[in-house]
Amino acid sequence: DSGVTQTPKHLITATGQRVTLRCSPRSGDLSVYWYQQSLDQGLQFLIQYYNGEERAKGNILERFSAQQFPDLHSELNLSSLELGDSALYFCASSVAVSGSGEQFFGPGTRLTVL
Amino acid sequence: TQLLEQSPQFLSIQEGENLTVYCNSSSVFSSLQWYRQEPGEGPVLLVTVVTGGEVKKLKRLTFQFGDARKDSSLHITAAQPGDTGLYLCAGAESFNKFYFGSGTKLNVKP
Repeated sequence: DSGVTQTPKHLITATGQRVTLRCSPRSGDLSVYWYQQSLDQGLQFLIQYYNGEERAKGNILERFSAQQFPDLHSELNLSSLELGDSALYFCASSVAVSGSGEQFFGPGTRLTVL
Repeated sequence: TQLLEQSPQFLSIQEGENLTVYCNSSSVFSSLQWYRQEPGEGPVLLVTVVTGGEVKKLKRLTFQFGDARKDSSLHITAAQPGDTGLYLCAGAESFNKFYFGSGTKLNVKP
């Protein structure tokens, strides 16, 4: 158990819908990272927040947005869903703001778009 | 196009054999990490290497970071069925962006 929690574990929805994925970091970690893992793309970095502020952006679509709240939990919002958005979404947390720190991954949310 | 290329993509070996997994890039990274991922779970960090030429050992696993900080290797000695999983390398740019390799699926048969 990494100490990072993600809800829900599974999510099935239809194209065009909007969903919210939730992540609670390990106690004491200020950084939250979001990743998308699909069969053909591997693990892709989406976005990072540190203590409530966006710090780095990866290959995140404009239909996707995220935020980190004062209690440090984070939410990833996916809208106008397409079939290709079906994937495993992971969040990871670390104590550091920079990239050399150890990241602890949550168990992931499996999103299926029908 | 993957920034980090891992090879081989798949590896199926017998228990007791040795193996090496490679992670190559044309980019320089401030640090490089190796993870192992089991089906249905998140990746778990094995090691972080920071200095060019650095070698780290973790029991039967040996990790090396290239002198130019562009490539890395993972060597497993006397593989065991418990080593089965997806091995991922991840390079960190100057601060916060991580790029993951496509992974090497290892299957160790008893």
